[in-house]
Amino acid sequence: NAGVTQTPKFQVLKTGQSMTLQCAQDMNHEYMSWYRQDPGMGLRLIHYSVGAGITDQGEVPNGYNVSRSTTEDFPLRLLSAAPSQTSVYFCASSTYRSSGNTIYFGEGSWLTVV
Amino acid sequence: AQSVAQPEDQVNVAEGNPLTVKCTYSVSGNPYLFWYVQYPNRGLQFLLKYITGDNLVKGSYGFEAEFNKSQTSFHLKKPSALVSDSALYFCAVSSSSSNTGKLIFGQGTTLQVKP
Repeated sequence: NAGVTQTPKFQVLKTGQSMTLQCAQDMNHEYMSWYRQDPGMGLRLIHYSVGAGITDQGEVPNGYNVSRSTTEDFPLRLLSAAPSQTSVYFCASSTYRSSGNTIYFGEGSWLTVV
Repeated sequence: AQSVAQPEDQVNVAEGNPLTVKCTYSVSGNPYLFWYVQYPNRGLQFLLKYITGDNLVKGSYGFEAEFNKSQTSFHLKKPSALVSDSALYFCAVSSSSSNTGKLIFGQGTTLQVKP
């Protein structure tokens, strides 16, 4: 009963490096999203997807890229890491319910850019 | 624009006392409201949600929340706090008109329950 799985849990990057945060869910959810969490700012939406092949920008998309080739996977790519991208990243998934979606979160990925 | 405000950065209560964590929201259309809890170095755990119906919503771990449409509030409550309730709590909202799993979060409130 894995739910939403994120890897890696911890990562240190040098400025300018690129990397991909992986996210997979086994609940056949059509909706997936990426958030970043910064102290005093709550969680802010980076990108989201309403199904395979469909993605859109959230509140803070600059410097990040996503794709959704399968229902299960929604990787987040940092194109050229900057210290401002030091944050905790959460992947989330949900499915449509007429009674309202419950959104399930992964355990988080702690990223430090030096 | 949609927004959520949690006016208190930290709430301190003694074990056994009732607790309240405040949340107000602004959204166009009917709101879907959520509370999540985060323990140190962990992900967010779902506590409860309000979609429609009774204004008092009961959730996990003995928590409940009261929806007040006139005051646009959704305060989290528990009758008797436990030390193990100490964590970071987030209120979040989405609009029923864009029910795609996107949430707007408040900045979070740290709950400290002292023995």
